Amino acid sequence: GQNIDQPTEMTATEGAIVQINCTYQTSGFNGLFWYQQHAGEAPTFLSYNVLDGLEEKGRFSSFLSRSKGYSYLLLKELQMKDSASYLCATNAGNNRKLIWGLGTSLAVNP
Amino acid sequence: DAGVTQSPTHLIKTRGQHVTLRCSPISGHKSVSWYQQVLGQGPQFIFQYYEKEERGRGNFPDRFSARQFPNYSSELNVNALLLGDSALYLCASSFDSGANVLTFGAGSRLTVL
Repeated sequence: GQNIDQPTEMTATEGAIVQINCTYQTSGFNGLFWYQQHAGEAPTFLSYNVLDGLEEKGRFSSFLSRSKGYSYLLLKELQMKDSASYLCATNAGNNRKLIWGLGTSLAVNP
Repeated sequence: DAGVTQSPTHLIKTRGQHVTLRCSPISGHKSVSWYQQVLGQGPQFIFQYYEKEERGRGNFPDRFSARQFPNYSSELNVNALLLGDSALYLCASSFDSGANVLTFGAGSRLTVL
């Protein structure tokens, strides 16, 4: 089967660093995505990892370990506007559909 | 340049009715995917279309159908609506069927009473 797990909720303080973990089990693997979704809005693309290692993009970084079926999204210098749901998704299988986790709701407090 | 546009943004239907949702992809994008997102959950894949052909189908009943037009816009149709069909329906476009980064529209929020 195919499964993605990520924490349901996290809370952090403005200016801090937070790490959101994602573990996945898929038949075949073609990359792992992180999307950000603010309440009532569409998901927006944050990062894509297909090889092991860390990808850094400004305040956001994403890490992948294919052997462990594990990824994390690291958010630095948190801002209030970072309060959102963070969705982990993998691109697996022959039809290349994205399989999504349930999302991690991050609340950034002052 | 316009992003992915969807219509209508909100609609209310009753059980048993039919609904058609529309999507226009980003100019130059040839692939459209449809997702259903129930409140508090991640999106669930419904369909992918590329060059007017179905390239992928998720685990949804035959009441759900879609098509893509020559201008790459797409329609999602749902027949015999059930209360459980109430959700945000997201359309996403990408350049081709293999391109992985999806750009989503704002969604159509369907409420079935």
